[in-house]
Amino acid sequence: GAVVSQHPSRVICKSGTSVKIECRSLDFQATTMFWYRQFPKQSLMLMATSNEGSKATYEQGVEKDKFLINHASLTLSTLTVTSAHPEDSSFYICSARTSGGGFTDTQYFGPGTRLTVL
Amino acid sequence: AQSVTQPDIHITVSEGASLELRCNYSYGATPYLFWYVQSPGQGLQLLLKYFSGDTLVQGIKGFEAEFKRSQSSFNLRKPSVHWSDAAEYFCAVGAINAGNMLTFGGGTRLMVKP
Repeated sequence: GAVVSQHPSRVICKSGTSVKIECRSLDFQATTMFWYRQFPKQSLMLMATSNEGSKATYEQGVEKDKFLINHASLTLSTLTVTSAHPEDSSFYICSARTSGGGFTDTQYFGPGTRLTVL
Repeated sequence: AQSVTQPDIHITVSEGASLELRCNYSYGATPYLFWYVQSPGQGLQLLLKYFSGDTLVQGIKGFEAEFKRSQSSFNLRKPSVHWSDAAEYFCAVGAINAGNMLTFGGGTRLMVKP
């Protein structure tokens, strides 16, 4: 149980285009989803916290107009990288928190999306 | 603010040898602690977690971790390493007052010699 999927797993795009990444919780409802980015050989850095039906909360230094997050349902959150540039190339990972309501809920991670901007 | 330190960036052990990966945290309240493993190009898999109770936590794949409040540590151990354990390991602390937001350590890359 507690499976999170991401689509696509890998995407290559030209500079200036927009890319949408989907994160789905397959067998549970997730009131909260998190988006991370990971540069090569580095740790995960939280970008934003996404709550179903409300605006995402962005971490300091993350441009909300560049990284658009939509959490339209309890099983789907999307991250759109707008006007992507080579420096946006990274590994993007989402996670979903089970919606039991307690603060001991665990985050389950998706397999990640490798974005390469040419 | 919480923080996590994994002092060892790389560790190499021989197959069959024991393993200990270090994790130190800083958090103002009772921490919620996690260990995740990441294979190359993959997402993270939860190995184990500590919320309360018994300070020795058993996880999947034969891993265990011990919470030591006095040392602010949550070290991961395995008595006998297998070649398939080679991966990146991340320790994380959860903030209960921020929707369980996780702060990750820098990671430890484990290599296993045959």
